[in-house]
Amino acid sequence: GAGVSQSPSNKVTEKGKDVELRCDPISGHTALYWYRQSLGQGLEFLIYFQGNSAPDKSGLPSDRFSAERTGGSVSTLTIQRTQQEDSAVYLCASSLGWDRGNEQYFGPGTRLTVT
Amino acid sequence: GDSVTQMEGPVTLSEEAFLTINCTYTATGYPSLFWYVQYPGEGLQLLLKATKADDKGSNKGFEATYRKETTSFHLEKGSVQVSDSAVYFCALIPGYSTLTFGKGTMLLVSP
Repeated sequence: GAGVSQSPSNKVTEKGKDVELRCDPISGHTALYWYRQSLGQGLEFLIYFQGNSAPDKSGLPSDRFSAERTGGSVSTLTIQRTQQEDSAVYLCASSLGWDRGNEQYFGPGTRLTVT
Repeated sequence: GDSVTQMEGPVTLSEEAFLTINCTYTATGYPSLFWYVQYPGEGLQLLLKATKADDKGSNKGFEATYRKETTSFHLEKGSVQVSDSAVYFCALIPGYSTLTFGKGTMLLVSP
């Protein structure tokens, strides 16, 4: 079946612009995660959605970052007023949920470059 | 807080050599442990996992055993191939939370 998909695969934006990154999880997966992968910081957790529960936003680095998940499926990560330090690969993952093994399956990522 | 420590790379081996990549962790409770692999230009893939002490995860010739007494989950393979060249990430989930990753270890295998 289809895996996790993300779009765009690459995004170049100017400092100060807003960007939206999209994630389509595996059908039937109730949990969705966003991570960021950068050279200096490795893989960092950003935000986690589980079913209809309030999301765990504890990993978001600033209030310029937000995410929503519509209809329990597709998710959008929004970065406002982008800064150069936001340049990274943004990874989305989905799983059946923590009570069902919690194996997370990752998308190919969106490479964000802020100039 | 929870953390994962991996040996720094790159690890450089010749084909058919034995591989060990060390991973130790700090966590409250009894986390599930994972190894993920990232091949050049590709996304993260789950390689293997173990959910309780003394469990052995295995896949594609790779193995790792959950050692609670030493809080370790070392990755091993008896005979590496050039196609195993990738970055390997050790990770844990402490129950109902999210993955905490190590910094990754690059493996380079030469013919």
